[in-house]
Amino acid sequence: DTEVTQTPKHLVMGMTNKKSLKCEQHMGHRAMYWYKQKAKKPPELMFVYSYEKLSINESVPSRFSPECPNSSLLNLHLHALQPEDSALYLCASSHPPTTGVNEKLFFGSGTQLSVL
Amino acid sequence: RKEVEQDPGPFNVPEGATVAFNCTYSNSASQSFFWYRQDCRKEPKLLMSVYSSGNEDGRFTAQLNRASQYISLLIRDSKLSDSATYLCVVITGGFKTIFGAGTRLFVKA
Repeated sequence: DTEVTQTPKHLVMGMTNKKSLKCEQHMGHRAMYWYKQKAKKPPELMFVYSYEKLSINESVPSRFSPECPNSSLLNLHLHALQPEDSALYLCASSHPPTTGVNEKLFFGSGTQLSVL
Repeated sequence: RKEVEQDPGPFNVPEGATVAFNCTYSNSASQSFFWYRQDCRKEPKLLMSVYSSGNEDGRFTAQLNRASQYISLLIRDSKLSDSATYLCVVITGGFKTIFGAGTRLFVKA
């Protein structure tokens, strides 16, 4: 199984809503990532979890709250988002970096989020 | 200066053409290098890893030049299905994964 599964595929939410994005992988990867991608731009890193602990937070606003319940699951909780947060949210996973070697990322198909 | 720079294109080429993309990176300590392909409204998919010795996969050849700090991707005998955005990815220590802006390729009949 070389898949990273993301749900939902599409999400429309109002600025007062609370919603969650979900990501799952069964490749035994112990690093999981959230990326945000705007149209015609490259993915931008938001968060990284390594061995279920938050390793990187790229100064993301607190209205985005990540959670890693176990080694296979990654969530992104959304609250009080702004219209400019509309984007494609991509989950990825990889083996954690070992000395001198970094492993490639596998991406899920993403959640296309629209904030009204 | 951006950490990873790519020519955004677009590159418009006829079927059967050979096309080459370059990507430069600024951090000499960068450790791993990849080319990803992304279709419109889809996720990036790994095309190939890039090594100093060069590597080839069918019509695709990737090369790393550490001295000049650039990586390249060569596509031979372009197909219509090669039309996509090609993303250069550089990993510099730990989880620091940096994407280039992407190069758009259009292959036309």
